Amino acid sequence: GNSVTQMEGPVTLSEEAFLTINCTYTATGYPSLFWYVQYPGEGLQLLLKATKADDKGSNKGFEATYRKETTSFHLEKGSVQVSDSAVYFCALLSNFGNEKLTFGTGTRLTIIP
Amino acid sequence: DGGITQSPKYLFRKEGQNVTLSCEQNLNHDAMYWYRQDPGQGLRLIYYSQIVNDFQKGDIAEGYSVSREKKESFPLTVTSAQKNPTAFYLCASSSLGETQYFGPGTRLLVL
Repeated sequence: GNSVTQMEGPVTLSEEAFLTINCTYTATGYPSLFWYVQYPGEGLQLLLKATKADDKGSNKGFEATYRKETTSFHLEKGSVQVSDSAVYFCALLSNFGNEKLTFGTGTRLTIIP
Repeated sequence: DGGITQSPKYLFRKEGQNVTLSCEQNLNHDAMYWYRQDPGQGLRLIYYSQIVNDFQKGDIAEGYSVSREKKESFPLTVTSAQKNPTAFYLCASSSLGETQYFGPGTRLLVL
C-alpha cells in the first residue's frame, strides 16, 4: 500500500534560518505529492503540490521538488519567519482512481525570534 | 466567497449520545471526505463520497455514519458505538482526482 514517512519533530529554528523537512513516500505508479500546513486550532491549508516527476512546487517562499529516483518530496525554505510556526504534513494522492490521500504524521515547526 | 464550512467549531457529546457534524461546500466539488486527527498523528480517513447518494468506508469507519443527499453537504454522525470519539474532525472536498481542500474543523469532546 501507499505510505508517507516524514521527518520526526518537533523542529525548532531561529528566525532567518534555512529549513528542510524531509518526506519520502512509497507508492505504485505516479502519485501527486502535496505539502499542507496547519496553524493551531485550524484546518489544513494547501501549501504546494507537484503532480509529476521533477516538478517543483512553490508558494510563500517554500519549495519542494518531486524526485522519483529517491521517492522524495522534501520541503525547503531559505529564511524562515516566526509566522511559519505550524505543523506541516506531507501527503500523496494515488493516480489509480483511488481518491484517498495518504498523510505523513506531521512535523511541528517552531521558529524563535 | 467559495469555501468549505464546518459547524460547530466545538461539540460536546454525552455518554451514549449520537452527534452530527456538519460540512458544506460551495466549490461545486463532486467528492467530499471526512478525516479524523488525533494529537501527534496524521489524518485518518473515515468516509468519502464521490457522487451524490453514494459513499465508501475509509480506514476507520466503525462507529461513524454519513449521508450524501446533496452535492454541497456531507454530514458525519458519530454514533454511541464509537468508544473513543474525542478528536479533531476535518472535512475536505475536491474535484475527482484533484487537490483536496479542507474546512476549519470541528473539535469533539466527551463529557
